[in-house]
Amino acid sequence: EVQLVESGGGLVKPGGSLRLSCAVSGFNFRTYSMTWVRQAPGKGLEWVSSIGSKNSFLLYADSVKGRFTISRDNAKSSLYLHLNNLRAEDTAVYYCGRDLGTDGSGFYYFLVDAWGQGTQVTVSS
Amino acid sequence: QLVLTQSPSASASLGASVNLTCTLSSGHNTYAIAWHQKRPEKGPRYLMKVDSDGSHNKGDGIPERFSASSSGAERFLTISSLQSEDEADYYCQTWGTDLRLFGGGTKLTVL
Repeated sequence: EVQLVESGGGLVKPGGSLRLSCAVSGFNFRTYSMTWVRQAPGKGLEWVSSIGSKNSFLLYADSVKGRFTISRDNAKSSLYLHLNNLRAEDTAVYYCGRDLGTDGSGFYYFLVDAWGQGTQVTVSS
Repeated sequence: QLVLTQSPSASASLGASVNLTCTLSSGHNTYAIAWHQKRPEKGPRYLMKVDSDGSHNKGDGIPERFSASSSGAERFLTISSLQSEDEADYYCQTWGTDLRLFGGGTKLTVL
């Protein structure tokens, strides 16, 4: 069974930092690109960052570029998101997701096909 | 510019069918998308991906009641035999050069 479990969220003051983790099981983590998505209170899903299977790409939404850093440890089957210089507008539930990859046709789909349950990040003084 | 447009809300009666639409911006009508379901206090749930030719591949355990199709720049999610647990927000997702993108979501109410 594919499982993704986020952790590391919490209450932090503006300007503070956090490290979110996503531990995965049930699939060969090292062969998939991965994604972080967030949902602020009352808002829709917002893409945050994505990383290639072998760090072949590191992508960030403009809203977090320069403040957040995505990384992975393939030996530990874990995905991370380092959040720095946090702002009130970063308050959200953060979800990790697995990218679908190829469906056998040779075409690569950068679409999330498995999700975690989320971890809450609250930025407030 | 790549944009996904969804109607903010939709409603249908218990047992009926509903079509939700995700529209790709001009010039992007060949893009594949994914549909996700989001219930309150739950993580998102991947439903299926839809290609521009309407072919779709469901995620594990997604009921037969859920299906998808395409027409031009529009991608559709059809839910038949609506059940109360289908009441949720539905998001489409795609990707472009160096970005991933979600539509604004459609809140489905089951009457």
